Amino acid sequence: AQSVTQPDIHITVSEGASLELRCNYSYGATPYLFWYVQSPGQGLQLLLKYFSGDTLVQGIKGFEAEFKRSQSSFNLRKPSVHWSDAAEYFCAVGAPNTGNQFYFGTGTSLTVIP
Amino acid sequence: DAGVIQSPRHEVTEMGQEVTLRCKPISGHNSLFWYRQTMMRGLELLIYFNNNVPIDDSGMPEDRFSAKMPNASFSTLKIQPSEPRDSAVYFCASTLGAGGTGELFFGEGSRLTVL
Repeated sequence: AQSVTQPDIHITVSEGASLELRCNYSYGATPYLFWYVQSPGQGLQLLLKYFSGDTLVQGIKGFEAEFKRSQSSFNLRKPSVHWSDAAEYFCAVGAPNTGNQFYFGTGTSLTVIP
Repeated sequence: DAGVIQSPRHEVTEMGQEVTLRCKPISGHNSLFWYRQTMMRGLELLIYFNNNVPIDDSGMPEDRFSAKMPNASFSTLKIQPSEPRDSAVYFCASTLGAGGTGELFFGEGSRLTVL
């Protein structure tokens, strides 16, 4: 069955430090992978997506993610975190031709310390 | 583009009342999703429409919930009668295509409080 696991419920980092948010997925075919960010009181916004090709994808706001098929992972990274990056981050798998279409992880809440 | 538009942004009602949430997807998008977000259960898919037709409503909690999409530019999610456990943020999202492959565009959500 399709699923997405974000093992870290909450992460705290200092401003300027690097960041890595983990995401593992279970899907029988080549996955469509997404990272979304949700600021308080807002809907989810796409940060980046992977469909095929280069396994390192660049997104908005200086984020990048790397697809590793052997590890079934799609971790999100940022070299230097800004205070405005504090938000909830969701990893998602796109599953065409299934009922749900998209499977979301439970999210990782990021706190940034000044 | 105006994005996905949801109304109302906030709704406070009493148990037993009918609640109707509305969504206008992005023009040209042919797939629409209703999600519910709570602290306990995270983001849950309630129902998915493609070309105005409900494709999967297995996430709809029970018969008190119903959703319609009478045309490509409008959808409603109705709860009747409402209960306190329905309190949540309800998101509408749309995308181009059959879903699963493209970016989901989310509205800002409707925060429902049932007293």
